[in-house]
Amino acid sequence: AQSVTQPDIHITVSEGASLELRCNYSYGATPYLFWYVQSPGQGLQLLLKYFSGDTLVQGIKGFEAEFKRSQSSFNLRKPSVHWSDAAEYFCAVGPEGTYKYIFGTGTRLKVLA
Amino acid sequence: DSGVTQTPKHLITATGQRVTLRCSPRSGDLSVYWYQQSLDQGLQFLIQYYNGEERAKGNILERFSAQQFPDLHSELNLSSLELGDSALYFCASSVVVGELFFGEGSRLTVL
Repeated sequence: AQSVTQPDIHITVSEGASLELRCNYSYGATPYLFWYVQSPGQGLQLLLKYFSGDTLVQGIKGFEAEFKRSQSSFNLRKPSVHWSDAAEYFCAVGPEGTYKYIFGTGTRLKVLA
Repeated sequence: DSGVTQTPKHLITATGQRVTLRCSPRSGDLSVYWYQQSLDQGLQFLIQYYNGEERAKGNILERFSAQQFPDLHSELNLSSLELGDSALYFCASSVVVGELFFGEGSRLTVL
């Protein structure tokens, strides 16, 4: 069965520090991959997506993610975190050919001033 | 603003009752998805409709049902409510295959 694992439930970084959020997926073929962000009391907003092609994808708010097929990973990165990045981040996979999107359990990011 | 509208934003009801949550997808999106988000279960896929037809089913309880109408809006009906049904219910829409656009959710509290 397809699955998405976000190993880190909570991450705390200082403002200005770099950030990497991990995501691993389990699927036989190349899935569609997504990162979403959820601010408190809000819906989920798409940060970036990977369908095919260049394995390094750029998203909104200065985020990027790299698809590594050999490691079944799609880690999210940001070189310098801002206090407004504090939120919960969800990795998701949407297997090609089906319409079911699976979400990870999320990583809650805290940013220290 | 994602373009997906959900109503009501907040709902408080009692156990045993029935509620209906409504979702209007983005203009042109034929697919509607329902998700339940709770603290202990995370974001759980409930059900998906495409152009009025059910396409995929997740961990949706038998007490829950959904439908998508000809104008593409969707409703999620929750009946015989239990305390454990308290959660945020999200609707999302998409084109045929692509990213999901989420509404702001309906927060259901069952007392």
